[in-house]
Amino acid sequence: AQSVSQHNHHVILSEAASLELGCNYSYGGTVNLFWYVQYPGQHLQLLLKYFSGDPLVKGIKGFEAEFIKSKFSFNLRKPSVQWSDTAEYFCAVISDFGMRFGAGTRLTVKP
Amino acid sequence: DAGVTQSPTHLIKTRGQQVTLRCSPKSGHDTVSWYQQALGQGPQFIFQYYEEEERQRGNFPDRFSGHQFPNYSSELNVNALLLGDSALYLCASSSGLAGGVFDEQFFGPGTRLTVL
Repeated sequence: AQSVSQHNHHVILSEAASLELGCNYSYGGTVNLFWYVQYPGQHLQLLLKYFSGDPLVKGIKGFEAEFIKSKFSFNLRKPSVQWSDTAEYFCAVISDFGMRFGAGTRLTVKP
Repeated sequence: DAGVTQSPTHLIKTRGQQVTLRCSPKSGHDTVSWYQQALGQGPQFIFQYYEEEERQRGNFPDRFSGHQFPNYSSELNVNALLLGDSALYLCASSSGLAGGVFDEQFFGPGTRLTVL
């Protein structure tokens, strides 16, 4: 069976700090990877996705993620967070087992 | 351009009852997926509809069923409701022509179901 782990449940940062949110999955075959974001009171939105090619993908609002196949990881990064990045972040993985989301990481950015 | 819409916004039912939730996909999309999101958890995939047929299904019992209409809108039906069915039910739409069962999905605001 496939699982998706987001180890950080709640991250609190000050503005301008760097961000890295972890995502690990447990499937050894071909996967497609996503990061979604849910701002307070809003719908889930796609931040970025990886299907193939360059393992470093860039998304909206300055976010990027790196797919490391050997580590089964797809960590999300941003060099300098803003107060407006306060949201819940979900990693999702597609494999032969379908689409699975992690439990989410709540990011709070203090002004 | 309307995004994904869902109705109703909130719903309260009692155990054993049946419920129907509705979803209209984003304009131009023909594929609808349903997810259950319990409090503090990520969305769990229920099933996906394309061309009016269930194309893929997650690990949910047969009490969860669905339908897709010719205009691509979709319904999620849950029978014999349990307390544990209380959750936010999300609908997501995508374009089947985009080449993947789970290409970029656009999510609706969800229906909050409370089972008492």
